[in-house]
Amino acid sequence: GENVEQHPSTLSVQEGDSAVIKCTYSDSASNYFPWYKQELGKRPQLIIDIRSNVGEKKDQRIAVTLNKTAKHFSLHITETQPEDSAVYFCAAFLNDYKLSFGAGTTVTVRA
Amino acid sequence: DTGVSQNPRHKITKRGQNVTFRCDPISEHNRLYWYRQTLGQGPEFLTYFQNEAQLEKSRLLSDRFSAERPKGSFSTLEIQRTEQGDSAMYLCASSASGQGSVPLHFGNGTRLTVT
Repeated sequence: GENVEQHPSTLSVQEGDSAVIKCTYSDSASNYFPWYKQELGKRPQLIIDIRSNVGEKKDQRIAVTLNKTAKHFSLHITETQPEDSAVYFCAAFLNDYKLSFGAGTTVTVRA
Repeated sequence: DTGVSQNPRHKITKRGQNVTFRCDPISEHNRLYWYRQTLGQGPEFLTYFQNEAQLEKSRLLSDRFSAERPKGSFSTLEIQRTEQGDSAMYLCASSASGQGSVPLHFGNGTRLTVT
């Protein structure tokens, strides 16, 4: 099966600074890597995703990079705002149906 | 709201009781998933349906757990003889099937507390 490691477990940044979360996966057959944001008491919500045939993807202040050779991928949030405070989960998709999650990163943006 | 719907939102039960949760996926989605999430952890895969067929069950799903999706639409997750270790958030997700991987859309979950 797939094993996803996520670091750091907590991240505190000053408003306006950047936040970076890193994940590694174990199964080279994984081909799809979504990122979810979960606010307290709410559902995980997809914020960005990347497929294995792409090295980088950007959506406004959020970007994701993928290094298939090293089996790691990262989430970058620029110009952080208080509403970015949440728990972020990386995930890896195996066999086109099975999603395995990292343990999560609690991001706190200090005003 | 046309998203994934789960009921109930909260369930408190005594150890040894049976509980059943319901999930209504997004209507055009034929894939349905159950995940379990405990505090400070990411969601853990429990089981997966393609239409009405249950295609995979995690080792986390002991014989006290059973999931069904009888008509390929809504699904139920039943836990028999609940234990305190079953306390968690149970998340349902759905997705469309197609070429390649597609995003999962999650419901708000059912929070189970076993006393």
